[in-house]
Amino acid sequence: GDSVTQMEGPVTLSEEAFLTINCTYTATGYPSLFWYVQYPGEGLQLLLKATKADDKGSNKGFEATYRKETTSFHLEKGSVQVSDSAVYFCALTMNRDDKIIFGKGTRLHILP
Amino acid sequence: SAVISQKPSRDICQRGTSLTIQCQVDSQVTMMFWYRQQPGQSLTLIATANQGSEATYESGFVIDKFPISRPNLTFSTLTVSNMSPEDSSIYLCSVDGGGTIYFGEGSWLTVV
Repeated sequence: GDSVTQMEGPVTLSEEAFLTINCTYTATGYPSLFWYVQYPGEGLQLLLKATKADDKGSNKGFEATYRKETTSFHLEKGSVQVSDSAVYFCALTMNRDDKIIFGKGTRLHILP
Repeated sequence: SAVISQKPSRDICQRGTSLTIQCQVDSQVTMMFWYRQQPGQSLTLIATANQGSEATYESGFVIDKFPISRPNLTFSTLTVSNMSPEDSSIYLCSVDGGGTIYFGEGSWLTVV
């Protein structure tokens, strides 16, 4: 079945470091891909999305490019801040009104 | 986009009792989804609720334990019945708002 695999955490970085969180997917068709973020004690927020191959989603300095050839959607940020400390979830959905499938989440700690 | 309101936001519940969580959306949607997030874990789909029909439950979840109502296109409830400490989780409602999945802030339940 369809699935999402993302890198294990926790990931600990110093402020202003470059961030990559890897995400790969398995799907029978052409999914829409998402990154969600969950800050401590809060619910889930959409960070960015991409709906077709080669699309780049971006928000708050984060970027991810939909790579069909490698079935990947890696999250990147050039210079992280302490406020980026959170859990990041990669996810996919196959069709409108279909359920969303999540990866296991990656906890990110940014040290000042 | 879609704005989702959930109630209660947090609650502490006694073992053996039941609690109903409400989910209100600011626009009409076909499908509403209920997820559970156990402590430190990713999100697991409980069921999909379509207006006017019975909810569809995922493997491992049953209607007697998690009855769902969907009386109209903007509202749904999830009841967690006969609670045990293992039900301590965040319960999240979500909808598809034009190809993007949106989540409520979650209902954080602790069973004691």
